[in-house]
Amino acid sequence: KAGVTQTPRYLIKTRGQQVTLSCSPISGHRSVSWYQQTPGQGLQFLFEYFSETQRNKGNFPGRFSGRQFSNSRSEMNVSTLELGDSALYLCASSLAGHYGYTFGSGTRLTVV
Amino acid sequence: GIQVEQSPPDLILQEGANSTLRCNFSDSVNNLQWFHQNPWGQLINLFYIPSGTKQNGRLSATTVATERYSLLYISSSQTTDSGVYFCAVVLGNQFYFGTGTSLTVIP
Repeated sequence: KAGVTQTPRYLIKTRGQQVTLSCSPISGHRSVSWYQQTPGQGLQFLFEYFSETQRNKGNFPGRFSGRQFSNSRSEMNVSTLELGDSALYLCASSLAGHYGYTFGSGTRLTVV
Repeated sequence: GIQVEQSPPDLILQEGANSTLRCNFSDSVNNLQWFHQNPWGQLINLFYIPSGTKQNGRLSATTVATERYSLLYISSSQTTDSGVYFCAVVLGNQFYFGTGTSLTVIP
């Protein structure tokens, strides 16, 4: 079966711009989570969606937002980009959360 | 939130050597997983191991939930084992990751 697909793989943006990242989960998976990975802060939880509803949110500013569509695909948006937003953004899907997560290969965002 | 600590932070091994990676967590959990992050950034799920012992080839893991730690054993290491190993616990549909152990296996 196809894995978790994240697009694009690489992205370069300028400070102040906004960006949208996409995550297509494994077929049948209804839970999608997003994580940010930086050298300084490690892997940090952004938010989790289940059946188009945000169930949980990490400690990130409101510039970070997300949504999930009826086909379980998810997008995350970062507005007014800052240099510190440069990171690897990973998404993970599972049937219903709690266990059985599969991660995608991530989107590497560079803000200049 | 829950604290997850891993040791050692870095490890360099000669090919063929064995190693043990440790993960300590601050609260009771019923979901602990070990991941290997490959050079392309993808997190590969190695074990789902909230308690007990599991083995998969040259890798095995043990979690002692009552003492709040987990161990990942790598035997007869190969260069392809290089990368960063993370343990993570799940609370409320959210992973809490450790800081990782960076493993380098030298031929």
